[in-house]
Amino acid sequence: DIQMTQSPSTLSAFVGDRITITCRASQSINTWLAWFQQKPGKAPKLLIYKASTLDSGVPLRFSGSGSGTEFTLTISSLQSDDFATYYCQQYTNYYPTFGQGTKVEIK
Amino acid sequence: EAQLVDSGGGLVKPGGSLRLSCAASGFTFSKITMNWVRQAPGLGLEWVASISSGGFVYYKDSVKGRFTISRDNANNSLYLQMNSLSAEDTAVYYCARVRWEAQAAAGNPLFDWWGQGTLVTVSS
Repeated sequence: DIQMTQSPSTLSAFVGDRITITCRASQSINTWLAWFQQKPGKAPKLLIYKASTLDSGVPLRFSGSGSGTEFTLTISSLQSDDFATYYCQQYTNYYPTFGQGTKVEIK
Repeated sequence: EAQLVDSGGGLVKPGGSLRLSCAASGFTFSKITMNWVRQAPGLGLEWVASISSGGFVYYKDSVKGRFTISRDNANNSLYLQMNSLSAEDTAVYYCARVRWEAQAAAGNPLFDWWGQGTLVTVSS
């Protein structure tokens, strides 16, 4: 299995802050990487796919970058609705795997 | 708009069985690869199984031989038969569809729509 490692595990920030979450793959996944947002008790929501393509309806303050083994998710100006847990996921083969998640908390 | 409704979860004893269902609507179910993804309490997401539009199936190693994914295209339904359950299988189980079938068939399944989840608790 391809291992996905996110950092940090928890991030405390103020509304308006710029934040970055990192995701590393144990081997190259080209740009077959997605980012999901999950709020408590809810299903994950697709934010970004192909490492940097914003899904329909996702605010422009979200952006993704990277290729190969290193990727980032950036929120340019954190809003109150953005406090949630974020997961990266590789989908380079028939056995997709997720990072362990990054919880974004209000400071 | 696509809709996926998960059901069938509950409390089951270790060694027991349970069958989960996912009712799909709002898209052409028969043409889409479908998946089960689980999330143990307080933990992260873990892909469990996948079934393509053509019936090809893939499983996570830890469930191979115990879980069976299947689909009923006539009734737009996805299933997960779970046998020999253990405490490690306790989780919320989500069904999830892939966005582009051709890409999924090539080994790049992007999950774009998820059910609300159904809780499976394995405990004596």
